[in-house]
Amino acid sequence: DAKTTQPNSMESNEEEPVHLPCNHSTISGTDYIHWYRQLPSQGPEYVIHGLTSNVNNRMASLAIAEDRKSSTLILHRATLRDAAVYYCILRNFNKFYFGSGTKLNVKP
Amino acid sequence: SAVISQKPSRDICQRGTSLTIQCQVDSQVTMMFWYRQQPGQSLTLIATANQGSEATYESGFVIDKFPISRPNLTFSTLTVSNMSPEDSSIYLCSVSTGERGFNEQFFGPGTRLTVL
Repeated sequence: DAKTTQPNSMESNEEEPVHLPCNHSTISGTDYIHWYRQLPSQGPEYVIHGLTSNVNNRMASLAIAEDRKSSTLILHRATLRDAAVYYCILRNFNKFYFGSGTKLNVKP
Repeated sequence: SAVISQKPSRDICQRGTSLTIQCQVDSQVTMMFWYRQQPGQSLTLIATANQGSEATYESGFVIDKFPISRPNLTFSTLTVSNMSPEDSSIYLCSVSTGERGFNEQFFGPGTRLTVL
């Protein structure tokens, strides 16, 4: 199974951009890159996903390296509600393989 | 989207006993998934539950320990059998549905299990 590597924790100031990195050097050509976040005492929720090209949605942007061995989740303006554990995930067909996650702390 | 409920939300059990966790979805879905989240850890996929067929287990998980039922398209159960303290975890079910298909899974709130 492909693996992802993320920093254990990161800190950001409110209303500043946040760049959350993820390494996935063993990614295969058919693996999609997903990001989910988990708020305390809740199940994970979808943030964004991509295959090769950079992606934008209302929540975030996903920047994927040209060789696909790494990616970065970008929160353009962090709010206190964005404090959560962010998981970088590789999807093979219908199965998700979660990374260890990055705990994001947002300071007011 | 999909709304998922789980029962019980939490339980404290004695070693050697079994607990069945229920997962109910508000719409019909083909695939349901069961995950385990050990304390302070990430999520690990236990198995995929398809209606009308046996569940497919991931490496390290076996049917005798984690039997799964999927009687219809909106419901599934996961049983944790012959429990030990190492089984203390949060167990979550999820489904793939909606316009994003396999690209998005919706997760239930989880069942927090403590084994004494």
